[in-house]
Amino acid sequence: ETGVTQTPRHLVMGMTNKKSLKCEQHLGHNAMYWYKQSAKKPLELMFVYNFKEQTENNSVPSRFSPECPNSSHLFLHLHTLQPEDSALYLCASSSRGSLRNEQFFGPGTRLTVL
Amino acid sequence: SQQGEEDPQALSIQEGENATMNCSYKTSINNLQWYRQNSGRGLVHLILIRSNEREKHSGRLRVTLDTSKKSSSLLITASRAADTASYFCATDAIGRQGAQKLVFGQGTRLTINP
Repeated sequence: ETGVTQTPRHLVMGMTNKKSLKCEQHLGHNAMYWYKQSAKKPLELMFVYNFKEQTENNSVPSRFSPECPNSSHLFLHLHTLQPEDSALYLCASSSRGSLRNEQFFGPGTRLTVL
Repeated sequence: SQQGEEDPQALSIQEGENATMNCSYKTSINNLQWYRQNSGRGLVHLILIRSNEREKHSGRLRVTLDTSKKSSSLLITASRAADTASYFCATDAIGRQGAQKLVFGQGTRLTINP
């Protein structure tokens, strides 16, 4: 256990569905991240939140909408996704200002878009 | 943008042998980290080496860093079947608004054959 949990672990949705991914960290960190991992592609950083403020949006399509209500919780709201959005979505957290910048990852949500 | 590139992309060895993976990056760094990912799971931090360090050990892991060549290597000695996983290097970067972030390479898929 890394101290970062993600739900659901698996999700199958149609292109017209609306769903949300949830991430929670129990490490007292102040930075949280969403990554997308597709087959045979590098890990793609999607969003970064520091102290609940979004500080990075890596040109992510608007059908992905993040929400960070507090420094322990991070959501990714999904709407009208495409089949190419099928991937493993990973959440991570870290302590901003730490010299190490080590990130702790959740187990991921395997998303399939039909 | 800087990005770590691992070499080889895939490595298959016999149990007990040593496994060496390499990583190259493009820009100056403060530190370089190695992560491990079991199939379909989140990444787990293995080891961090600072830019002023040349070698670091942790159990059966040995990491080297050559900042003049912008490269790092991860050596796993006396490999075990349980070491089968993907291994990623990550370099630190500063994103917009000063957010710390990591840039991951594509990873090396390591298979240890019993």
